[in-house]
Amino acid sequence: GQQLNQSPQSMFIQEGEDVSMNCTSSSIFNTWLWYKQDPGEGPVLLIALYKAGELTSNGRLTAQFGITRKDSFLNISASIPSDVGIYFCAGQRTSYDKVIFGPGTSLSVIP
Amino acid sequence: DGGITQSPKYLFRKEGQNVTLSCEQNLNHDAMYWYRQDPGQGLRLIYYSQIVNDFQKGDIAEGYSVSREKKESFPLTVTSAQKNPTAFYLCASIPDGRGTAFFGQGTRLTVV
Repeated sequence: GQQLNQSPQSMFIQEGEDVSMNCTSSSIFNTWLWYKQDPGEGPVLLIALYKAGELTSNGRLTAQFGITRKDSFLNISASIPSDVGIYFCAGQRTSYDKVIFGPGTSLSVIP
Repeated sequence: DGGITQSPKYLFRKEGQNVTLSCEQNLNHDAMYWYRQDPGQGLRLIYYSQIVNDFQKGDIAEGYSVSREKKESFPLTVTSAQKNPTAFYLCASIPDGRGTAFFGQGTRLTVV
């Protein structure tokens, strides 16, 4: 099936640092989504992107829909301990198509 | 409260037994999904349903079955044909065609 690739696989950063992660696909997507999952819980939607080039913020989080429509980026500024978790990208090729997820980026924040 | 409810949160079954995981939503969302998550892994799509009485296989449908008789409900049956059923199962619903999935709390299934 289709696959999304996320990098890095894991990150260990100091509290206060900025974080960048990305997601790539071999196919063009018309929707990119970013989720965060805490241990033992379901993922929670952070940001949704619907247009190539779109840049959207949610507090300290900023995500971008890549111009090629084959990638997306998530940045977290001034990280804090509660940012710890797994960040997933997800994509959808066309409206009403299935939503697929990347393998995730595990973020650890060192106080 | 509106939301997606998965029950139970923890489930234990003996090998060879079928087991059904419940997923109910009162958000009036059209689409519902089932994903499987293994330790340290991403979410893999099992089945999804865009409307009542219709569903499609995802990437790992073998050994699983679903039904969508009501808009609010999308139960997943893990059959004895599933070779490695122990995993964390997540149900999601999507309000429209734009893909923004809202997840339940998950069911952790352990088969012994």
